[in-house]
Amino acid sequence: GENVEQHPSTLSVQEGDSAVIKCTYSDSASNYFPWYKQELGKRPQLIIDIRSNVGEKKDQRIAVTLNKTAKHFSLHITETQPEDSAVYFCAASGSGYSTLTFGKGTMLLVSP
Amino acid sequence: GAVVSQHPSRVICKSGTSVKIECRSLDFQATTMFWYRQFPKKSLMLMATSNEGSKATYEQGVEKDKFLINHASLTLSTLTVTSAHPEDSSFYICSATRAGRSTDTQYFGPGTRLTVL
Repeated sequence: GENVEQHPSTLSVQEGDSAVIKCTYSDSASNYFPWYKQELGKRPQLIIDIRSNVGEKKDQRIAVTLNKTAKHFSLHITETQPEDSAVYFCAASGSGYSTLTFGKGTMLLVSP
Repeated sequence: GAVVSQHPSRVICKSGTSVKIECRSLDFQATTMFWYRQFPKKSLMLMATSNEGSKATYEQGVEKDKFLINHASLTLSTLTVTSAHPEDSSFYICSATRAGRSTDTQYFGPGTRLTVL
């Protein structure tokens, strides 16, 4: 089955800096890669996603890049703000069934 | 759109009792619903996938007789934790995908915190 590795497990940045979280996946058939943000005790919220026919996608301060050959994808957050502090999960989904395999999460702390 | 609710948000029960958790898609029809378990500071672990009108598919290591899943309609799935024990204490989260869409986007419920005494 699919295996998703996520790094780093924790990331501390100063407000205004950029943050990058990286994930690798094992199943070359995976074609959907969402990123979720989860605040303590809350539900995971989809913040951006990308499909395998696209190499990069951007939404304001958030961008995701995908390298299918290397089987890795990354989340980029620019101009970080304290409210960006949360746990971020990457995930991968194979064709057909929609089952997501999640990475272990990255705790992002943005200091004012 | 794409709002998923869960009920209850918190439940405390005695060991040996059963607990039912409901997951509802409020503004869309959900062909598929997923149930996850999350331990503190850990990732989401998929327990089972349920499709409306058919039996759930359980992940390896998840006891289907322990965690009963019913997906009776396109807007409701239930998870019943039978004969709960303290080790079943966890955060249970459901998610749903829209019916008739090719997207794999999963929309999550707010979760249910189960504490078994």
